[in-house]
Amino acid sequence: SYEMTQPLSVSVALGQTARITCGGNRIGSYNVHWYRHKPGQAPELVIYRDDNRPSEIPERFSGSNSGNTATLTITGAQAGDEGDYYCQVWDSNSAWVFGGGTKLTVL
Amino acid sequence: QVQLVQSGSEVKKPGDSVKVSCKAAGYTFSAHYMFWVRQAPGQGLEWLGRINPKTGGTSYAQNFQGRILMTRDTSIITAYLDLRNLRSDDTAVYFCARASDDPSNFFDYWGQGTLVTVSS
Repeated sequence: SYEMTQPLSVSVALGQTARITCGGNRIGSYNVHWYRHKPGQAPELVIYRDDNRPSEIPERFSGSNSGNTATLTITGAQAGDEGDYYCQVWDSNSAWVFGGGTKLTVL
Repeated sequence: QVQLVQSGSEVKKPGDSVKVSCKAAGYTFSAHYMFWVRQAPGQGLEWLGRINPKTGGTSYAQNFQGRILMTRDTSIITAYLDLRNLRSDDTAVYFCARASDDPSNFFDYWGQGTLVTVSS
C-alpha cells in the first residue's frame, strides 16, 4: 500500500515561512492535495493538484511536488493558520491515502 | 453555499451498530460522490468508502468490508454511514466529504464531524 510521511509538528514564528513536507515514493508522479483541520471544525482544502489554491485560500499558501517530496509552504504565517495539515493522494492500489498529519504552531 | 451537516455524537457499546447522517445543501446532490473519512484519537485520517448519490453505487475500503453500509436518500439530500459490530477501536470522529468534480480525486467540502464513542 502507498504510504506518505509527514513531520509530526512544525513551528514557525509569526510572519515567517512555514514548510510542511509530505514524503512518498515517487510522490512527484501523483496529484497531491492538502487539508487543514482545526479541532472541532470541518477539515478545509487548502491546496489541490500540487499547487492550486481554492479561491477562498490566501495567496500565502502554495504547494510544490517533485521527486519523493511534496511541500506545502505558508509565507508570512498567521495565528489563524494553526492546525493539523494533511496531504492526500489517490493511488490505484491503495485508493484515497492520507499522510499522518502535521501540527502547525505559530509562535 | 455548499454545506454538509452531520448528525450528533453517539455513544455505543461493543457489538452495537451506529448510523451517521450527512445532510447536503447548496449544490446538486447527485452530481458529486460522497465519501466517509474517520479520525481516531491521536491518529490521522482514514478513508472508509464512498457512495454515488445518483446511482447508490458504493465502494468500501477493504478494512471495513462486511460491516459497513453507505446509503443515501435523495428526497432529503442526505447520505448515511452504517457501521456494524462496533469495536473500541472504532471510536473516532467520522466525517462526510464531498468529492470534487475534478478528476484528481480530492475532497472540496467536509462535514463538521460526528464523534462516535464505543465503550462498554
